[in-house]
Amino acid sequence: QLQLQEPGPGLVKPSETLSLTCTVSGGSISSYIYYWGWVRQPPGKGLEWIASIYYSGSTYYNPSLKSRVTISVDTSKNQFSLKLSSVTATDTAVYYCARERGYSSPFDSWGQGTLVTVSS
Amino acid sequence: EIVLTQSPGTLSLSPGERATLSCRASQSVSSSYLAWYQQKPGQAPRLLIYGASSRATGIADRFSGSGSGTDFTLTISRLEPEDFAVYYCHQYGSSPKTFGQGTKVEIK
Repeated sequence: QLQLQEPGPGLVKPSETLSLTCTVSGGSISSYIYYWGWVRQPPGKGLEWIASIYYSGSTYYNPSLKSRVTISVDTSKNQFSLKLSSVTATDTAVYYCARERGYSSPFDSWGQGTLVTVSS
Repeated sequence: EIVLTQSPGTLSLSPGERATLSCRASQSVSSSYLAWYQQKPGQAPRLLIYGASSRATGIADRFSGSGSGTDFTLTISRLEPEDFAVYYCHQYGSSPKTFGQGTKVEIK
């Protein structure tokens, strides 16, 4: 059974870079079918798609965050990662990694999420 | 960007009642690439419906989706105790992928 896990740093200081890695188990990140993405949810608020990546390295970003976001994939470790630079308090959120069954597909499998708080 | 507006914000119903949730898009959602998720406190969202009307694997048949273009509906035919949660619609046909703000279904 597919599992996604995204342990996080918990606390990041303002202006620093938030780094998260999602480890995929029970399936290959190199499958030609799937894309892999990040979605975040500020406390008590709704969901926001951040970015997605294909195993080949093709990337897709939300324009609202694109200037600060890098998504990458490491097929040898079955992992994909997110970096968000110059964070502020508004980046405080639960960050989820998730799988998409194709580019124009919903997120059909999710990690449990990790709360990242931006505070000095 | 396609903005999704969900209504009502909160739905207060009793177990056994029918729930009807609405999702309206600011522009047409291509190929009915519209999904619904259920989220319970402290949990990740769970995919219920995709393609506007197809149930995801393992989803009970009391959940159904309908609609096209800009107007979509999630119906829960008879609410079970475990159905009280927040529901989000999601369009994935146009970039950026966007979500509605959610409808909370609470026990009356």
